[in-house]
This record gives sequence, structure tokens and C-alpha cells, in this order.
Amino acid sequence: DTAVSQTPKYLVTQMGNDKSIKCEQNLGHDTMYWYKQDSKKFLKIMFSYNNKELIINETVPNRFSPKSPDKAHLNLHINSLELGDSAVYFCASSGQGRTEAFFGQGTRLTVV
Amino acid sequence: KQEVTQIPAALSVPEGENLVLNCSFTDSAIYNLQWFRQDPGKGLTSLLLIQSSQREQTSGRLNASLDKSSGRSTLYIAASQPGDSATYLCAVRGGGATNKLIFGTGTLLAVQP
Repeated sequence: DTAVSQTPKYLVTQMGNDKSIKCEQNLGHDTMYWYKQDSKKFLKIMFSYNNKELIINETVPNRFSPKSPDKAHLNLHINSLELGDSAVYFCASSGQGRTEAFFGQGTRLTVV
Repeated sequence: KQEVTQIPAALSVPEGENLVLNCSFTDSAIYNLQWFRQDPGKGLTSLLLIQSSQREQTSGRLNASLDKSSGRSTLYIAASQPGDSATYLCAVRGGGATNKLIFGTGTLLAVQP
């Protein structure tokens, strides 16, 4: 069973479009994250949710809007996509007490 | 502001060699440190988690140490194999309420058969 799953795995879209990436975890964790990995492979946190509540928003443009319908899901919606949004986006989760974090397989977003 | 650095950026070794990857962080007030591997085009696989109160953790041929006061961690890989080839990332979790992982710059390891 996949612990943290993201869909889609690949996403190619044109500039100006709106797209969503979905994430689900079956680990019973309370905290979920979105990370962005740039072309130099550096991973940087974007958002963190704890029990459906936003606790971290790392100066991400407001074109990016996370949504957590329940603590097992954290979706990422991106409006008006730009070329610079091209990257790999990773979803992750961890349990209470800052336990081990588990990552999804990533979504490779290409904006053309 | 916490910064995490990994040295070397890339490493190539012959199969069978023992090797050490380094991770340093600027703020010693961490909650824990986690080592990951990332294969090309894949997600992150958790290797080891060390809590701030621990000195080391072992899993198979992997041993990770933590010296919080000096802001350093090492990942020791014994008897390296070609299948160990990947990018290795360390990440520290801060001690505050934010509960976020801050990643290092990664070490790209190639084990030559």
C-alpha cells in the first residue's frame, strides 16, 4: 500500500492555465506538507497543515492555494500558471511529536 | 535562519568502499534530523531518523550520527554497492512550533561496479 500518494505524476500545461495536484496519505498522520524541488534539486517547503489547519505558508505567491478537506488529504491548486512554476512538487506527511516524515513520489509540473 | 549544507556535492567511489556523507546545520536547536535518498525521477525514501537526544542510528549498512552542539551529522555507508547510487539528502526539523523540515543541498553518490 502506498503511504503518501500524489496525482498526477506528470502534468504538462500552458501558461495561464489553472491546475490542481492531489495528495492523500493513509498513515493516520496529523501533519501534511507541500514541498517544491527546483531545477537544482533543492527542496523547499511551501505549506504545512496540521489537522486541516494551515500552520506554515512560506511566502508562496497567492496563486498557490492549498486545500485540506480532511487530515488525510492536502491538495494544491495553482492559478494562472507561469513558466517559473515548472518544478517537481512533493507532498509529505508526519505524525504527532515530529515523527518520521514520508514523501510521495512527486508531481513533475511543466509549464510551456 | 536555519541553513543546512551537505559536503561533498558529488562523490564517486568504487564498489565495496566505505564512505561518509556530511551534513551541517547552523542552528543547533533542532528537534530531529532525517536522512533520505532520492533516485533519479523518484520520490524521497526515508533512511534514518535521529532524535535530538540521540547520538546515532543504524539500519543495515547505514549508520547516521548526530552531534547537535557542533551542528553536524554524518551518514556512513559500509561496503557500498552500485544500488546505493542516488542523491542523499539530510533534513533538520526545527524545535519551534512550525514543525517543518529544512533540507540540505544533497550529495550525489555514484558507486562504480
